[in-house]
Amino acid sequence: SYELTQPPSVSVSPGQTATITCSGDALPKKYAYWYQQKSGQAPVLVIYEDTKRPSDIPERFSGSGSGTMATLTITGAQVDDEADYYCYSTDISGRQRVFGGGTKLTVL
Amino acid sequence: EAHLEESGGGLVKPGESLRLSCAASGFTFSSYTMNWVRQAPGKGLEWVSSIGSSSSHVSYADSVKGRFSISRDNTKNFLFLQVNNLTADDTGVYYCTRVGNSSSWYDLYFESWGQGTLVTVSS
Repeated sequence: SYELTQPPSVSVSPGQTATITCSGDALPKKYAYWYQQKSGQAPVLVIYEDTKRPSDIPERFSGSGSGTMATLTITGAQVDDEADYYCYSTDISGRQRVFGGGTKLTVL
Repeated sequence: EAHLEESGGGLVKPGESLRLSCAASGFTFSSYTMNWVRQAPGKGLEWVSSIGSSSSHVSYADSVKGRFSISRDNTKNFLFLQVNNLTADDTGVYYCTRVGNSSSWYDLYFESWGQGTLVTVSS
């Protein structure tokens, strides 16, 4: 079955840049999406189609992709950005819809 | 703005069944593929099932195939998930989600999420 691999945790100080990666064999052909989930809340889409940002998401959130890796970057991370972040994509056929294991971002 | 509200979760014993519901508002429900995504306590997100706008396409994760059935009522703007033969591994929060505008069946993603309904399977 298809898998997306993320680091379990990332830690940065406030104001620093946080980088979260997601690797998957189909990512050269398939878009990556990123979700933020704060404790006790539903996930929120922060990046779609590799690089696009929904209108209500702050500009400090950006996405990129290169080969089999997608990256979520938070430039000038804030304490309020502490959350679990999940990448999502599909296998090359589009039939397997898969989330990465999640990355816990700590900002302190 | 899309609003999704799940209901129907609860505490059940192994082998029992539940019917989860999702009331949709704020968008043209009949135009969108809808989905269920679940999350076990302290674990990550898992896609469960998708249904096309006219119910002509349905798909399930291997972990639930044969036990879960997704359906929708476009006249009342409701999404459903019938969950049968439940096991402890099915315990978690079940989210109703709507796809993004640029989605297609083989390239879909989840733009809008409800707050979820908790299913607990325990003897």
